Amino acid sequence: KAGVTQTPRYLIKTRGQQVTLSCSPISGHRSVSWYQQTPGQGLQFLFEYFSETQRNKGNFPGRFSGRQFSNSRSEMNVSTLELGDSALYLCASSVGTLQETQYFGPGTRLLVL
Amino acid sequence: AQRVTQPEKLLSVFKGAPVELKCNYSYSGSPELFWYVQYSRQRLQLLLRHISRESIKGFTADLNKGETSFHLKKPFAQEEDSAMYYCALSTYNQGGKLIFGQGTELSVKP
Repeated sequence: KAGVTQTPRYLIKTRGQQVTLSCSPISGHRSVSWYQQTPGQGLQFLFEYFSETQRNKGNFPGRFSGRQFSNSRSEMNVSTLELGDSALYLCASSVGTLQETQYFGPGTRLLVL
Repeated sequence: AQRVTQPEKLLSVFKGAPVELKCNYSYSGSPELFWYVQYSRQRLQLLLRHISRESIKGFTADLNKGETSFHLKKPFAQEEDSAMYYCALSTYNQGGKLIFGQGTELSVKP
């Protein structure tokens, strides 16, 4: 099976702009989780979508949002970008049962200038 | 709140030496614990999880609920083991959420 894919791989934006990142899960996986990775904070959970519904949410401001489509593909959106949003954004997919192994994509590296 | 602690940011050993990467967690329920590894320029991938009780690439980890620990061990380190290692916790009621430790960089010297 093909692994988790993320597009784009790299992005440069300026403060105040918005950005949309995309994640395609492994075929048959219904859960997609998003994480932010930074040198200072490490890997932090943003949110999880399962069957087009947000099932879990981390402690991020409302500027961070996401959605999932009927084919399980997911997007996350960050509005009004801040310098501190510069990070590697990872998505992970799983079958969807609780506490199941998550499989990670390569990430999208976002740089906010 | 649930938390995962990896006390060592960097662990440096010589090839053939034993390795132990420490992981402690705080959670009052029944956790599922994972070790993920990230080799240079590769994506984060699962190394092992406690429920499977497998040995992967010579690594093992035992869940000690009394000490709330899930340390990763290998008796003889290899140079190809050099990577970032992350311990992660999943709780039953938030199964799609992984709580990660800060990671330990393992460097195996020849």
